[in-house]
Amino acid sequence: GAVVSQHPSWVICKSGTSVKIECRSLDFQATTMFWYRQFPKQSLMLMATSNEGSKATYEQGVEKDKFLINHASLTLSTLTVTSAHPEDSSFYICSARDGADTGELFFGEGSRLTVL
Amino acid sequence: GQNIDQPTEMTATEGAIVQINCTYQTSGFNGLFWYQQHAGEAPTFLSYNVLDGLEEKGRFSSFLSRSKGYSYLLLKELQMKDSASYLCAVMDSNYQLIWGAGTKLIIKP
Repeated sequence: GAVVSQHPSWVICKSGTSVKIECRSLDFQATTMFWYRQFPKQSLMLMATSNEGSKATYEQGVEKDKFLINHASLTLSTLTVTSAHPEDSSFYICSARDGADTGELFFGEGSRLTVL
Repeated sequence: GQNIDQPTEMTATEGAIVQINCTYQTSGFNGLFWYQQHAGEAPTFLSYNVLDGLEEKGRFSSFLSRSKGYSYLLLKELQMKDSASYLCAVMDSNYQLIWGAGTKLIIKP
């Protein structure tokens, strides 16, 4: 099946710094990628939909100035957590759909962010 | 509003069969997905149902009734490695996925 790669898998940073997470579709082109956040023992929460060549669509309650999303190419989307704080510590997961809107959703490995 | 309901936790015995139910109320329907997620890992795809009926894939089967807004995931011949969370997700009329909170399945020897 299709492969989505996410990097880094683990990141620890100091409060106030910014962290960038990359999501790549390795063997297919993804015009749309999705970014999720998952707190311990909770379900996935969609943060935003990343569209290649245009602005991301953010879910209600997600600060677009804090969570910057860039989808510069058909195989790469990045999520930058700006001025990170301890409450931003979470598991961030990206996903992409190969082909039609009803196609299977492939997930990256996830990135665990810990803000000290 | 849109809502996906599934049990929070279930326990089953190794070698047995378990059924995880999911009921949904969404604005439109373009299919229902089941994902498996082990602790600390990303979800992996299990099944996709868009028509009524049962889809069988090895030890796992998924059933859908659109008229009842109901699906279940059936796991047979349970193995210890099946201990995980199972997420039900529905694709609405805008092709957005609405996620359930997940069912934590505990397998006991």
